[in-house]
Amino acid sequence: QVQLQESGPGLVKPSETLSLTCTVSGGSIRSYYWSWIRQPPGKGLEWIAYIYYSGSTNYNPSLKSRVTISVDTSKNQFSLKLSSVTAADTAVYYCARALVPANGYGWFDPWGQGTLVTVSS
Amino acid sequence: EIVLTQSPGTLSLSPGERATLSCRASQSVSSSYLAWYQQKPGQAPRLLIYGASSRATGIPDRFSGSGSGTDFTLTISRLEPEDFAVYYCQQYGSSLTFGQGTRLEIK
Repeated sequence: QVQLQESGPGLVKPSETLSLTCTVSGGSIRSYYWSWIRQPPGKGLEWIAYIYYSGSTNYNPSLKSRVTISVDTSKNQFSLKLSSVTAADTAVYYCARALVPANGYGWFDPWGQGTLVTVSS
Repeated sequence: EIVLTQSPGTLSLSPGERATLSCRASQSVSSSYLAWYQQKPGQAPRLLIYGASSRATGIPDRFSGSGSGTDFTLTISRLEPEDFAVYYCQQYGSSLTFGQGTRLEIK
């Protein structure tokens, strides 16, 4: 079955850019949407963005100005960049497959295990 | 933005009991585009229900979802020890938002 694995630095300095990659195994990245979701320690879930394998994107309006999501079908990977980070961006970042229905935005299954990114100098 | 409010914040029950978790939306969720997830400590969320009432693959039939419009419910018919966790609802009819979660704890 499809499995996802996040990778990237666990510590980012304030004002810098957070960069994460999600590797998809056990299936092709083609024909699906792929998403990033985050969870600050002890808090709830926040959707960040998703991307179709062809490259079309959808962003959370509250984060859109700082987020870039991209896909590399040759590597079966997709990536997240979040610029100008602050301590408020400290969170566990999850990648997930998004199942997007007609006229909707999608639910998430499966999820990666998540990676903690701390923003601190 | 549709705001989802889950209640109660914490639910204390015993194994074998029935659990009823509520998710109320600030405006109608189109096409019943609502999902439920279970999250255990240190783990990623797991999809339980999508489309308000469709169980995800491999989810036991003691989990059921219902509702439409602004009021949705997740019911666990007979609690097993492994069901004690945090549960989140998520709507995907108008952008994507999550509820704040309900913690289901052992009484």
